[in-house]
Amino acid sequence: EVQLVQSGAEVKKPGATVKISCKVSGYIFTDYYIHWVQQAPGKGLEWMGLVDPEDGETTYAAKFQGRVTITADTSTDTAYMELSSLRSEDTALYYCAITTVGAGRLDPWGRGTLVSVSS
Amino acid sequence: EIVMTQSPDILSVSPGERATLSCRASQSVSINLAWYQQKPGQAPRLLVYTASTRASGIPARFSGSGSGTEFTLTISSLQSEDFAVYYCQQYTNWPLTFGGGTKVEIK
Repeated sequence: EVQLVQSGAEVKKPGATVKISCKVSGYIFTDYYIHWVQQAPGKGLEWMGLVDPEDGETTYAAKFQGRVTITADTSTDTAYMELSSLRSEDTALYYCAITTVGAGRLDPWGRGTLVSVSS
Repeated sequence: EIVMTQSPDILSVSPGERATLSCRASQSVSINLAWYQQKPGQAPRLLVYTASTRASGIPARFSGSGSGTEFTLTISSLQSEDFAVYYCQQYTNWPLTFGGGTKVEIK
């Protein structure tokens, strides 16, 4: 069974950087792309970007370009999403999810990591 | 960027009735369209991909249709566990984009 286990909730101050993780199991890590999706409280879903664990290549949404870094560690089958220069609007749930091709259907998803940004 | 627009925002339906959800793309996405269901406190779950293919384990009462710019998700007979928010997502072009969601609530 494919599983994506995300790290726990984070509380950060404005201007700080957060790095959250997504550990996968049940498949060959380099076979699938790993995506990150943001969901602000009570709002919809917004795609942030992806990493190809096979070669580390990334694609980011323009909205997050310059502030987000997505990486993959093949030694631990774990993907990471780092978001810098945090502001209150970044308070959200962050989900990881996988696709078999770069642009595809997201399935399955992790349970989400809550990041709260407050002074 | 391809903008996905869902309607209605809220759909009030009685259990056992049919629900029809719409999704429109700002330009053609062919059949590169997925639907997700999200319940409170849970991650989204894939229901349908390539516009009309049900994902593994999804009941037959869920069906998707459409191509190009107009898509529909139909729930033939709503069960209590189907009351949730539904999102469409295109995967033709970067960035991947989602609709704003349709909340299906009990009438």
